[in-house]
Amino acid sequence: EDQVTQSPEALRLQEGESSSLNCSYTVSGLRGLFWYRQDPGKGPEFLFTLYSAGEEKEKERLKATLTKKESFLHITAPKPEDSATYLCAVQEDGGEGGSEKLVFGKGTKLTVNP
Amino acid sequence: NAGVTQTPKFRILKIGQSMTLQCTQDMNHNYMYWYRQDPGMGLKLIYYSVGAGITDKGEVPNGYNVSRSTTEDFPLRLELAAPSQTSVYFCASTNPGGRAGLQFFGPGTRLTVL
Repeated sequence: EDQVTQSPEALRLQEGESSSLNCSYTVSGLRGLFWYRQDPGKGPEFLFTLYSAGEEKEKERLKATLTKKESFLHITAPKPEDSATYLCAVQEDGGEGGSEKLVFGKGTKLTVNP
Repeated sequence: NAGVTQTPKFRILKIGQSMTLQCTQDMNHNYMYWYRQDPGMGLKLIYYSVGAGITDKGEVPNGYNVSRSTTEDFPLRLELAAPSQTSVYFCASTNPGGRAGLQFFGPGTRLTVL
């Protein structure tokens, strides 16, 4: 069973059509949840870190939220330049030092049409 | 700062050949990681290092070797290349202290084994 599951696998939106991406996780203790953006042919780029349930972070048209079992990446009035693959990753709580590793989901490929 | 750099960008290998993927970071990060990314499969951790002289296996280490003699460099060695190692390889780095998930990624190496 995957520890991190993202849905949907792919999402097509019209410019201005708001929607949400989901990331559910099953780690026993969460130290942090991370959202990354990946453009074709490039490495992932960090977007947000969330540490505790109820926390929210915003950046331009993106807002990330966190509950005890899942995180949402809300995209408000998207533009074509928001087209990318969005990756979710969790860092498990490994005790005092924390875990040095991330577990990634498979990503959601977002396409925003003009 | 150049961040995380990887060489080569592309490589085609024949079955049974060997090669080293280079990764260098100039951010004085202690933690470094190697991932592979197959289409639709997210990022899988191959090996990681928490400091010079210290390395550990990730989720998919078979067929690979690493070394970490300096803080800056973390090369990944492929011995006896197989078609199953066709993938895009990403190197990443970060510093610990509760934010190990804020990883900075290189641009990737696209490897094809024929």
